[in-house]
Amino acid sequence: NAGVMQNPRHLVRRRGQEARLRCSPMKGHSHVYWYRQLPEEGLKFMVYLQKENIIDESGMPKERFSAEFPKEGPSILRIQQVVRGDSAAYFCASSPMWTDYGYTFGSGTRLTVV
Amino acid sequence: DAKTTQPPSMDCAEGRAANLPCNHSTISGNEYVYWYRQIHSQGPQYIIHGLKNNETNEMASLIITEDRKSSTLILPHATLRDTAVYYCIAIMTTDSWGKLQFGAGTQVVVTP
Repeated sequence: NAGVMQNPRHLVRRRGQEARLRCSPMKGHSHVYWYRQLPEEGLKFMVYLQKENIIDESGMPKERFSAEFPKEGPSILRIQQVVRGDSAAYFCASSPMWTDYGYTFGSGTRLTVV
Repeated sequence: DAKTTQPPSMDCAEGRAANLPCNHSTISGNEYVYWYRQIHSQGPQYIIHGLKNNETNEMASLIITEDRKSSTLILPHATLRDTAVYYCIAIMTTDSWGKLQFGAGTQVVVTP
C-alpha cells in the first residue's frame, strides 16, 4: 500500500514562473491537506480539500496560490508568478473520511525560487 | 483548539526512555491530544493520540493527567533514529479536522 506520493521532490523555478506541486493520496483516502514549512519555521496549514471541493482554504495566501483535487488524478497546488519568499517545503497529507490514526504525510516538495 | 506548550529541546541517551512533556491547560473536554514527529527534511509522522485514557502502541506511550492539563509522550527505548522534532497538538477533530496547528515542538536529540 503506497503512501502519500508527492512529486517532484525538488523543484527549482525562476522568479515569475509557475510551480505545480502534485500529491497523490493513499488509496482509499478522500481528504487531502497541504502544509507549508518556510526555512527555519514551523509547519503551517494551507488548504483542506475533498474530491472536487475546497473545504477550508483559510491558510492559503490570497493571491497567486490555488489548489484543486479533481475527481480523477492527484491534488495540485499551483503557485503562479513565484517569488523568492515562496521557497519552502510543501507537504501534503491525506486521510479517509474518518480516522483514528491521524494523517499520513508525504515526503514533501522542496521548492527553490532563484 | 487549545494551545500547547513544549520545551524547545531535550537530549536523551540511546537505549534509555525519553519522556516528552506537553502542557495544554486550556484543553476542552472534546479535544484530543495528538503527537507527531518530523525527522529532518521528512514529512511529519503520526505517533499516537488520546482523549482521557493512557494509550500505548508500537511506537510510544501517551500518559494524560487526570485533569487533562498536561501529557507525556514516552519513547521506551530511544534509538538514534528517534532524533526528530516532536509536536504535541490539541485538536477537536469534529471541527478542525485537517487543520493541525503545529507549534515549535521539542527538538529531541538521541546520543550514543
